[in-house]
Amino acid sequence: QSVLTQPPSASGTPGQRVTISCSGSSSNIGSNYVYWYQQLPGTAPKLLIYRNNQRPSGVPDRFSGSKSGTSASLAISGLRSEDEADYYCAAWDDSLSALFGGGTKLTVL
Amino acid sequence: EVQLVESGGGLVQPGGSLRLSCAASGFTFSSYEMNWVRQAPGKGLEWVSYISSSGSTIYYADSVKGRFTISRDNAKNSLYLQMNSLRAEDTAVYYCVRGVTLCYFDYWGQGTLVTVSS
Repeated sequence: QSVLTQPPSASGTPGQRVTISCSGSSSNIGSNYVYWYQQLPGTAPKLLIYRNNQRPSGVPDRFSGSKSGTSASLAISGLRSEDEADYYCAAWDDSLSALFGGGTKLTVL
Repeated sequence: EVQLVESGGGLVQPGGSLRLSCAASGFTFSSYEMNWVRQAPGKGLEWVSYISSSGSTIYYADSVKGRFTISRDNAKNSLYLQMNSLRAEDTAVYYCVRGVTLCYFDYWGQGTLVTVSS
């Protein structure tokens, strides 16, 4: 059981906006940055969002991140078929460990 | 181009040992923190271990503490993971991951599969 809680699945139709939540506690999300990773089928994970809401170069601005208190969210607007993937949130915990959420499988209907 | 290439995975019996290696290229290896992250078949990501750029600071997940040892050789641009007392639950793809800072994993290798089974 992951300390960072994500919904196991999410879905949307092309063009729609979907959000994926990530819930933690004061020792992780509440006091450290949140990161989001995208894992396309059969590939290694890729950094999607860093430091709560920053996009690495090459990541479309359809992807955005936010954080409030001990929770964070990833939003994907203008959903496309190639966005179908697993999404993971991550945060450092003050107990000196890195935590990942359990992952959310996004299906584009 | 940043490249991280893992090697050393394979089939090992419970209680056995294995040493993973990661060859880094395309960046100044000695300037970056490094991590190992694993993923059991069909499961999510699990952080395993962290090592600072100089090797002076090391962290482990509770699940591997006392059994796994992370190390690096900056002269050889290489990262290692010595895994002892392996258990079935250690079966996973192990990724070598570059870190800008804690949890900021900007480049991932393709992974090497470790299977612990009799």
